[in-house]
Amino acid sequence: EAGVAQSPRYKIIEKRQSVAFWCNPISGHATLYWYQQILGQGPKLLIQFQNNGVVDDSQLPKDRFSAERLKGVDSTLKIQPAKLEDSAVYLCASSPTGQGSSPLHFGNGTRLTVT
Amino acid sequence: DAKTTQPPSMDCAEGRAANLPCNHSTISGNEYVYWYRQIHSQGPQYIIHGLKNNETNEMASLIITEDRKSSTLILPHATLRDTAVYYCIGLKYNNNDMRFGAGTRLTVKP
Repeated sequence: EAGVAQSPRYKIIEKRQSVAFWCNPISGHATLYWYQQILGQGPKLLIQFQNNGVVDDSQLPKDRFSAERLKGVDSTLKIQPAKLEDSAVYLCASSPTGQGSSPLHFGNGTRLTVT
Repeated sequence: DAKTTQPPSMDCAEGRAANLPCNHSTISGNEYVYWYRQIHSQGPQYIIHGLKNNETNEMASLIITEDRKSSTLILPHATLRDTAVYYCIGLKYNNNDMRFGAGTRLTVKP
């Protein structure tokens, strides 16, 4: 089974620029997540989708971050405009269901550096 | 979800068993105990999870105490490739938005 695919692998931008990340979950997985992982910390949930609907976006900084999952498959996460503190690894994960009995499967992330 | 407490770091000799503890004294009856690990520059990798019973798979064993307030992840024969940060997470049955703590950095030494 193919894993969660993310691109790009690395991205360097200047502050106030925009950036977008793409995620393709495991086929058939209904639930998709975006996490932010700052160096030295555990991943922090930004947003959770169930099919193409948002389940939880309480920790998403909505003034600059947006995410969508059109057609309930691929997803994009956008930052506009970026700040220095947005430098982090952005991880996408998917799960067959939104239930606690189903493990999340993570991609290898996009490492963002904001200069 | 239950708050979990793990030691920040541990060492283990190659070929020996690595026993990683986790305290989750506030866990509720419907919360799973999950273990993930993260190797440098990779995303977190699922290892194992359990509810009440001990569990074993090809990667590890999970021992959950009878009162469910703590658990131990056992890597039976640690290799250098097992060097990683290990996360213990409590997760309710009706959702799986995982909240990661700082984890335990396991270093396997030759």
